[in-house]
Amino acid sequence: AQSVTQLGSHVSVSEGALVLLRCNYSSSVPPYLFWYVQYPNQGLQLLLKYTSAATLVKGINGFEAEFKKSETSFHLTKPSAHMSDAAEYFCAVRTGGGNKLTFGTGTQLKVEL
Amino acid sequence: NAGVTQTPKFQVLKTGQSMTLQCAQDMNHNSMYWYRQDPGMGLRLIYYSASEGTTDKGEVPNGYNVSRLNKREFSLRLESAAPSQTSVYFCASLKGVTDRYNEQFFGPGTRLTVL
Repeated sequence: AQSVTQLGSHVSVSEGALVLLRCNYSSSVPPYLFWYVQYPNQGLQLLLKYTSAATLVKGINGFEAEFKKSETSFHLTKPSAHMSDAAEYFCAVRTGGGNKLTFGTGTQLKVEL
Repeated sequence: NAGVTQTPKFQVLKTGQSMTLQCAQDMNHNSMYWYRQDPGMGLRLIYYSASEGTTDKGEVPNGYNVSRLNKREFSLRLESAAPSQTSVYFCASLKGVTDRYNEQFFGPGTRLTVL
């Protein structure tokens, strides 16, 4: 079964610094990958998704992710962190029939002044 | 459009009590999903309904039942609640299973505590 691994359950950055959240997938076929964000006490919101049209995917709020087949990675980045980016971020991969999603364990992003 | 709505937002149960979590979507989506979220474990799929009239087990179905009442509504029932079912429950919907790049849309969640 396909899965994703998120390295680092907690990441802390200074406001204005680069954000890098890691996601590696296990798949022998082209994966369908997603990044979701969850703000405190809210549901999940789609940040971006990999559609195979381009390896660099741009999402909302200035986030982007690069699909690297050789590294089986789909890391999420943002050049300059803002206080409002503090949230939990989940990487997910489509799994099996029914368009089910398998989620990573999440990365809590803290942004400090 | 309200998107995906869930009721109730919060619930406290005693061990052995039963309850039904309600979910509705107004996006004319075909597929619906129930997840539970526990600290450090991400979201895990409980049950899903690929289309109206069908339901299937996910990763953690034990202790739960579901009903796809119609295209809009998908409920999750706990027949005899246990403390291990204390969690945050999310409902999600998706337009259709034929487009593999479709994303799931999530509701705001129900926070359930079982004492």
